[in-house]
Amino acid sequence: GAGVSQSPRYKVAKRGQDVALRCDPISGHVSLFWYQQALGQGPEFLTYFQNEAQLDKSGLPSDRFFAERPEGSVSTLKIQRTQQEDSAVYLCASIPIGGLPTGELFFGEGSRLTVL
Amino acid sequence: AQSVTQPDIHITVSEGASLELRCNYSYGATPYLFWYVQSPGQGLQLLLKYFSGDTLVQGIKGFEAEFKRSQSSFNLRKPSVHWSDAAEYFCAEVGSYIPTFGRGTSLIVHP
Repeated sequence: GAGVSQSPRYKVAKRGQDVALRCDPISGHVSLFWYQQALGQGPEFLTYFQNEAQLDKSGLPSDRFFAERPEGSVSTLKIQRTQQEDSAVYLCASIPIGGLPTGELFFGEGSRLTVL
Repeated sequence: AQSVTQPDIHITVSEGASLELRCNYSYGATPYLFWYVQSPGQGLQLLLKYFSGDTLVQGIKGFEAEFKRSQSSFNLRKPSVHWSDAAEYFCAEVGSYIPTFGRGTSLIVHP
């Protein structure tokens, strides 16, 4: 597609449920980031992939959070046993090879997760 | 650790008035600095960026920003605000390879 696509756009989960959020980056973009944006806050880094390799996962808030990108394109962020504090918008962004650190991040519209 | 400070949570301006949104960065070496805009329900869109050269950079939609190393600042400006500029604005820096964002400034435009 022409842009970064994220699904679902909205997800309501009961506390304790597992959720999976999908990101389809711009074709050919090597680097992919996941961010968490709580209400009224800026995006907070979660994890970074270059192709299929997860090079940095230092921002994942707990071991309930897991991300993968097995074929170096589509990525999935999985949250196990969701808690209310996981409620946020999850943003995915991609950037072409050689884009870092000076290039533009291309963001999807985000997946808004609400945990009841 | 890198940090980006946007001291103003909300800014209210009248349509046609000038605008300045403040941003302070922490990275000591030459920073790579960005301003992004986020409209409701949308992803972030790049307005402009600085990484070297002229310290006054021009961006899209009539925005500009000035890099001031002595003040560790990268403030965003626009001479005349339009109602469609109402949005959330984020300053970001890239110290190594991870873009770090400020908490954002919400711009409210009065007619």
